[in-house]
Order: sequence, then structure tokens, then C-alpha cells
Amino acid sequence: GAVVSQHPSWVICKSGTSVKIECRSLDFQATTMFWYRQFPKQSLMLMATSNEGSKATYEQGVEKDKFLINHASLTLSTLTVTSAHPEDSSFYICSAVRQGYEQYFGPGTRLTVT
Amino acid sequence: RKEVEQDPGPFNVPEGATVAFNCTYSNSASQSFFWYRQDCRKEPKLLMSVYSSGNEDGRFTAQLNRASQYISLLIRDSKLSDSATYLCVVNRDGANNLFFGTGTRLTVIP
Repeated sequence: GAVVSQHPSWVICKSGTSVKIECRSLDFQATTMFWYRQFPKQSLMLMATSNEGSKATYEQGVEKDKFLINHASLTLSTLTVTSAHPEDSSFYICSAVRQGYEQYFGPGTRLTVT
Repeated sequence: RKEVEQDPGPFNVPEGATVAFNCTYSNSASQSFFWYRQDCRKEPKLLMSVYSSGNEDGRFTAQLNRASQYISLLIRDSKLSDSATYLCVVNRDGANNLFFGTGTRLTVIP
């Protein structure tokens, strides 16, 4: 089956620093990738849609200058959390679309900002 | 109103029991429906798609009622390994974007 990886799987950073999370589709090309955030005991919330070669589309309430998304190739999208604060601590999950509506999820990145 | 609403549970059932989860969605233009399973601190994984005619996969049966905007998942003969959070997922307006319910937590007890 299709495989999506994320790196790192777990990161702790200090408040005010920036953190980059990578999402890779390992065995297929993904023109579209999605970034989600999940707080404890809550559902996944879509943050943005990342399209290869173009600017990401952000959901309402998500600051594009804080969550920088780059989709430079058909197999890689990155999410950079800039000037991270403790309230940004969350589980960040990416997904990649292989065909039509089928999405494959990465294993997630757990971010803790101290 | 939330796009997708689910009873968060928790549902604690004995092994071998039959359990049903329900979900409602608010956008009548939604076109695709899914049940995902998420284990603790893991990513969601597709359990099954939901079709208007209803579909079955082993012990799992999914139903869709478009008129009532209601989706269900039935699990028969529950196994310990079925313990997880079950997410009702609906696409938005024909796009690839998915909306997730909060999930229903199931614990199967020996």
C-alpha cells in the first residue's frame, strides 16, 4: 500500500523557536497534501491544503505567516511552525492524495513547545 | 453547527458483543463518506468507505442515509483488537478535503 512518512515523529522545542516538519510520499507522487492538527481528545482539524508548485490554501483561522507550507516536489511537503508557543503544542498529521479522494496519512509529529 | 457530529462515547463492551456507532453530517452536498480507525497516538487509518447501498467487510457493516444525513458503523463479534477510536469522515463539496468527527472511543473488555 501507499506509504507516507513524517519527520520528526516527536520534537520538543523552546518557545520562540521554529520547527520544520517534513511529509513525504514514499512510493507515489502526490500533487496534493493536507496538513492537520489534533489536540488531545479532539478531532483532526484541517489546517491547510498543500499543492505542488503553488501556494498553500489555509483554512479559516489558521495563520499562514505562522504555519509556513512548502510543497516543492511531488513527494515532499514541509510545514514550518514559526515562533512556536506552548499553545502550538499538538499532534500534526499530514496526508497525501494518491488517486481521487483516497488519502494516506503520515504517522504524525508530536510537537511540544516549552 | 459542526460539519460532522459523533457520540464521543466511551463505549465499553464485552468481547463478542455487537456495537453500533452513529454519525450525522451537516452539509447535504457531501459526496464521500468514510469510517477511519485511530489508535492512541497514531495516525487515522481507513477502515471502510460508506456507500448508499450499504456495505459490509467481515464483521463491519456501514450504512448511509442521505435523506437523514446519517452514517452508521456496526461491529459484530467484537474483538479486543477492535479497541480504538472510530472516526466518521465526510468529504466537503466534492473536493479532497475531509472533515473528521471527534471520534467514538471503543474499549472491548475481556
